Amino acid sequence: AQSVTQPDIHITVSEGASLELRCNYSYGATPYLFWYVQSPGQGLQLLLKYFSGDTLVQGIKGFEAEFKRSQSSFNLRKPSVHWSDAAEYFCATFTGGGNKLTFGTGTQLKVEL
Amino acid sequence: DVKVTQSSRYLVKRTGEKVFLECVQDMDHENMFWYRQDPGLGLRLIYFSYDVKMKEKGDIPEGYSVSREKKERFSLILESASTNQTSMYLCASSSEPGSGANVLTFGAGSRLTVL
Repeated sequence: AQSVTQPDIHITVSEGASLELRCNYSYGATPYLFWYVQSPGQGLQLLLKYFSGDTLVQGIKGFEAEFKRSQSSFNLRKPSVHWSDAAEYFCATFTGGGNKLTFGTGTQLKVEL
Repeated sequence: DVKVTQSSRYLVKRTGEKVFLECVQDMDHENMFWYRQDPGLGLRLIYFSYDVKMKEKGDIPEGYSVSREKKERFSLILESASTNQTSMYLCASSSEPGSGANVLTFGAGSRLTVL
């Protein structure tokens, strides 16, 4: 079954610094991949998604992600982090056909001012 | 915007009580989901539904049941709450699978504490 792994549980960056959150997937064919963000006390919001085509995907709030088949990765990036980006970030993929979304364990981002 | 509304943000229940978590979506979505979120474990799928009166088990259905009598409403039921069901519960909905269509929209969550 398809799955995703987020190797970093916590990451701390300074405001204005660049950010990269890692996500590795396990699936033979081209997977459907997503990044969601959860701000404190909120539900999950979709940042971006990859289905096919251009491997560099632009999302909301200045985020982007790059699909790299050779590395089985779909890392999330932002060139300059804002304090409001502090949140938990989840990578996700479809499993078992249909519409079932499987999530990674999440990466908690802390932004130092 | 699609709205997914979870009626209770915070609940405190006692062991053995029957608990209902309600979720309503307003965009006529076919698919609805219940996830449980725990620190270090991410989100795990409990149950989902593709249509009215239809339900499918997710990855951790034990101790839970669901009801979908109307298209817009999907209820999660804990028949006899236990302390290990203390968690954040997230409801989501989506339209039919298809290119770009199978994006989940989440509610704000219901934090359940079982004493």
